Amino acid sequence: GAGVSQSPSNKVTEKGKDVELRCDPISGHTALYWYRQSLGQGLEFLIYFQGNSAPDKSGLPSDRFSAERTGGSVSTLTIQRTQQEDSAVYLCASSARDRGIHTFGSGTRLTVV
Amino acid sequence: QKEVEQDPGPLSVPEGAIVSLNCTYSNSAFQYFMWYRQYSRKGPELLMYTYSSGNKEDGRFTAQVDKSSKYISLFIRDSQPSDSATYLCASPMEYGNKLVFGAGTILRVKS
Repeated sequence: GAGVSQSPSNKVTEKGKDVELRCDPISGHTALYWYRQSLGQGLEFLIYFQGNSAPDKSGLPSDRFSAERTGGSVSTLTIQRTQQEDSAVYLCASSARDRGIHTFGSGTRLTVV
Repeated sequence: QKEVEQDPGPLSVPEGAIVSLNCTYSNSAFQYFMWYRQYSRKGPELLMYTYSSGNKEDGRFTAQVDKSSKYISLFIRDSQPSDSATYLCASPMEYGNKLVFGAGTILRVKS
């Protein structure tokens, strides 16, 4: 597709359940990023994938969060045992590795009840 | 202290006004600066990208960088109701280009 695609667009889950969020980046973009945007907050970096290199996981808030990127393309962000404080919009972006110009998806709005 | 500080607003202006949005940053290693615009329930979209100190103009938008004072600005001329959005300033970290964002300023342009 022409842009970054994220699914689902909305997810409501019960506290303690696991969730998987999907990101399909722009074809040919080697870099993929996940960010979190909480109410009233700016975007918070979570994890970064670049080609076949080991991912930069320095932004993951706890070990309940993990992500993988298969075949250098699609990425899945997994949150285990969700908590109410995980409620946020999770944004994925991809980049052609040119000074950090990100193209963002529309995000997944996660609500933990 | 956050690496990029931005007044969250909201900022409300009448249609046609000149809007000034500002950010300050603390990391001297920041070399590039971006402004993203985010409409409600959408992802951020790149509006302006600057490198050096000085001004960069694109239509009604002007981005200004002052590296000596670590201050970046976005000016919107002849503001329109369609400009109503959240404006985010950002800079990429040297390694990996992950972006450090300000909190975002909510702008409302009233018709």
